[in-house]
Amino acid sequence: DTEVTQTPKHLVMGMTNKKSLKCEQHMGHRAMYWYKQKAKKPPELMFVYSYEKLSINESVPSRFSPECPNSSLLNLHLHALQPEDSALYLCASSQVALQAYEQYFGPGTRLTVT
Amino acid sequence: QKEVEQNSGPLSVPEGAIASLNCTYSDRGSQSFFWYRQYSGKSPELIMFIYSNGDKEDGRFTAQLNKASQYVSLLIRDSQPSDSATYLCAVIRTGANNLFFGTGTRLTVIP
Repeated sequence: DTEVTQTPKHLVMGMTNKKSLKCEQHMGHRAMYWYKQKAKKPPELMFVYSYEKLSINESVPSRFSPECPNSSLLNLHLHALQPEDSALYLCASSQVALQAYEQYFGPGTRLTVT
Repeated sequence: QKEVEQNSGPLSVPEGAIASLNCTYSDRGSQSFFWYRQYSGKSPELIMFIYSNGDKEDGRFTAQLNKASQYVSLLIRDSQPSDSATYLCAVIRTGANNLFFGTGTRLTVIP
């Protein structure tokens, strides 16, 4: 089973709202990732968690706040977003962070900021 | 120079033909290579990974890696209309903190 689940599938939020994206995997993977993907562009890495600790933050604005409550769950808290933050947000997991192990992506959350 | 380069396409092949997708990378220290398929509006789906020089086959898909020439390719045999998608090449460098994606090649298989 190589399933990564994400909720919600779609999210529309205003610039003053606070919302959270959720991701879950039950493959025993110890690394989890958040990516952002704009239309017709490849995914861009935002955050990497390794063994439940934040190991990489790719200079992401503080209005995005990741959280890893346990080894199976990953959240992305959103606050005071801008319209240009509208994108597909992808969660992925792998056995170990960013080494020679394949990453599996969830279905994504389509975020629209109004 | 970009880390990973792909022809953006579009690449069109007739049904039943072989589709050949290519990817070059700039860092000789790259160690792991992945091909993802992404349908419009969907998330990337891992279809092949390769770590060693040579060919790796899985069903209709063959990944080829040539580290000396710094390229990795994906062959799709007996192409089907359902193979129409964007194919993303991704690379992990030894010691790097990132998975580098190419910009993707859009493939259209014509019935």
